[in-house]
Amino acid sequence: GAVVSQHPSWVICKSGTSVKIECRSLDFQATTMFWYRQFPKQSLMLMATSNEGSKATYEQGVEKDKFLINHASLTLSTLTVTSAHPEDSSFYICSARDRQGIYEQYFGPGTRLTVT
Amino acid sequence: KQEVTQIPAALSVPEGENLVLNCSFTDSAIYNLQWFRQDPGKGLTSLLLIQSSQREQTSGRLNASLDKSSGRSTLYIAASQPGDSATYLCAVSLAYAASKLTFGTGTRLQVTL
Repeated sequence: GAVVSQHPSWVICKSGTSVKIECRSLDFQATTMFWYRQFPKQSLMLMATSNEGSKATYEQGVEKDKFLINHASLTLSTLTVTSAHPEDSSFYICSARDRQGIYEQYFGPGTRLTVT
Repeated sequence: KQEVTQIPAALSVPEGENLVLNCSFTDSAIYNLQWFRQDPGKGLTSLLLIQSSQREQTSGRLNASLDKSSGRSTLYIAASQPGDSATYLCAVSLAYAASKLTFGTGTRLQVTL
């Protein structure tokens, strides 16, 4: 149980284009999902918290117009990187909290984004 | 602002050794602490979760302890195996923001034959 998937697992895009990453909770309902980014050999940094049916809450320093988050259902959240630049290349990981859980987060396998 | 530090940053041990990974945090008002494993290029696998009211949790060869007052947690791995090679991350959530995790810097473990 408690499986979270991400799609795609890796993506290469050209500078200036937009990329959408999906995060799904497969066997539970997630009222809250989280988006993290991880640079090589560094730890995870929380980008934003996504609540179903409401606007995402972004961490300080994260541009909300650049990283668009939509949490349209209890099992799906999407992160769209708009007008991507090479410095946006990173490993993006989502997590989901079971609505009946004890604040434990279940993590997806991550998406490797490379912007050329 | 919560800061989480892990020592050592990297560790190499021969197979069979018992080892201890350390995690320290600056704000002791935590809700829970989790230990994760991350293989290269992969997501996170949750290993153990300790609630703030607990002192330790065990799963197989893994034992995690929590000393909230001193801001420390340790992950003990018994009889290490090459398959244990990975990066180990600890993460804490604060009591007033229980759903937000702050991650440590990680310990890269290599277990050699």
